[in-house]
Amino acid sequence: KAGVTQTPRYLIKTRGQQVTLSCSPISGHRSVSWYQQTPGQGLQFLFEYFSETQRNKGNFPGRFSGRQFSNSRSEMNVSTLELGDSALYLCASSLDPGSAGNTIYFGEGSWLTVV
Amino acid sequence: DAKTTQPNSMESNEEEPVHLPCNHSTISGTDYIHWYRQLPSQGPEYVIHGLTSNVNNRMASLAIAEDRKSSTLILHRATLRDAAVYYCILSPGGGADGLTFGKGTHLIIQP
Repeated sequence: KAGVTQTPRYLIKTRGQQVTLSCSPISGHRSVSWYQQTPGQGLQFLFEYFSETQRNKGNFPGRFSGRQFSNSRSEMNVSTLELGDSALYLCASSLDPGSAGNTIYFGEGSWLTVV
Repeated sequence: DAKTTQPNSMESNEEEPVHLPCNHSTISGTDYIHWYRQLPSQGPEYVIHGLTSNVNNRMASLAIAEDRKSSTLILHRATLRDAAVYYCILSPGGGADGLTFGKGTHLIIQP
């Protein structure tokens, strides 16, 4: 079956702009989480959605937001972009985050460059 | 803060077994141990996970110490395609949401 799909794969934005990234989870998966990866900070958890509700949130400013739709697809938005927001943004999906041994599966990521 | 400790890098030869260690001395009774790997320019890929008993799958084996304070990921016969950063992660209560990734181990495979 198809894996986690993220769009767009690559994008360049200007400081001050906003960006929306999209994620389609594996069919049947109801949980979607987002991560930011930079060379300096590594992989950091942004937030996680389950059944259209945000369940967990990492330590990121309010400029970073997300949502999940009824079909489990998710979007994340970054407003007022800063140079430091340049990163690989990864989406991951899982069946049921509350279940023992639940495994998450990552997409290929969206490479964002802010200039 | 990452709750696991891994060596920064390891080197091995192709077609030889590789043992990647991970220390997690503060693990709680309900924490699962997950391993992921990330190849260059790709998202992390699930490798294996376990709770108390050793686990095997088609990719690797996971050996968990009896006191669960450490574990070892075993690649039985490394290939060049196994060169990646390997992350050992604790998942509270079994659910793998909100994972805390450390720096991982950069595995180098020599032909």
